Amino acid sequence: EAGVTQSPTHLIKTRGQQVTLRCSPISGHTSVYWYQQALGLGLQFLLWYDEGEERNRGNFPPRFSGRQFPNYSSELNVNALELEDSALYLCASSLDPGTGFEQYFGPGTRLTVT
Amino acid sequence: AQSVTQLGSHVSVSEGALVLLRCNYSSSVPPYLFWYVQYPNQGLQLLLKYTSAATLVKGINGFEAEFKKSETSFHLTKPSAHMSDAAEYFCAVSEGFGNEKLTFGTGTRLTIIP
Repeated sequence: EAGVTQSPTHLIKTRGQQVTLRCSPISGHTSVYWYQQALGLGLQFLLWYDEGEERNRGNFPPRFSGRQFPNYSSELNVNALELEDSALYLCASSLDPGTGFEQYFGPGTRLTVT
Repeated sequence: AQSVTQLGSHVSVSEGALVLLRCNYSSSVPPYLFWYVQYPNQGLQLLLKYTSAATLVKGINGFEAEFKKSETSFHLTKPSAHMSDAAEYFCAVSEGFGNEKLTFGTGTRLTIIP
């Protein structure tokens, strides 16, 4: 069974640009989560999507947004990039809530903002 | 609000020695607790989870953790360390049922001494 996949693996952008990261969940999983792992800040929750709807949002500015498609894949968009957005962005997926809640993570997208 | 504290950002043990990584949590409801491992330049791999069944949880790679409600702890142990255990370990808590986001500790980097 294929795991969570993310693309691209690495990305280099300039401050002020926009970026889109993509995530495909494990087959059968309907929930997708996004986390940011920035140096010195640890792992922080960004967004949770389930059945195409945004269910919860972490303490991030509105320039971080996303969506979930009918096939449950997801995109994370970051507008007006800032230097501090440089981080590893991790996507995770899980089955419906109520099934133990374990989240399975993808390999991440390493974003560097210069 | 939920939170996790991992005591010791770096732990070193000799190959064959006991591994003990500490995790204390705070949650307003019965928590769901997880340990994840992260190898360099990779995503997170689930080691084990506690979801209110048995308090002693066995995971992959010989790891186990014990949920102690009175101490609000969920420490990770392995009887005999192997060189391949060198990685960063994260404890995480979720309150579930509408609040499925994972809140992570700051991580413990485990070094194995040959």
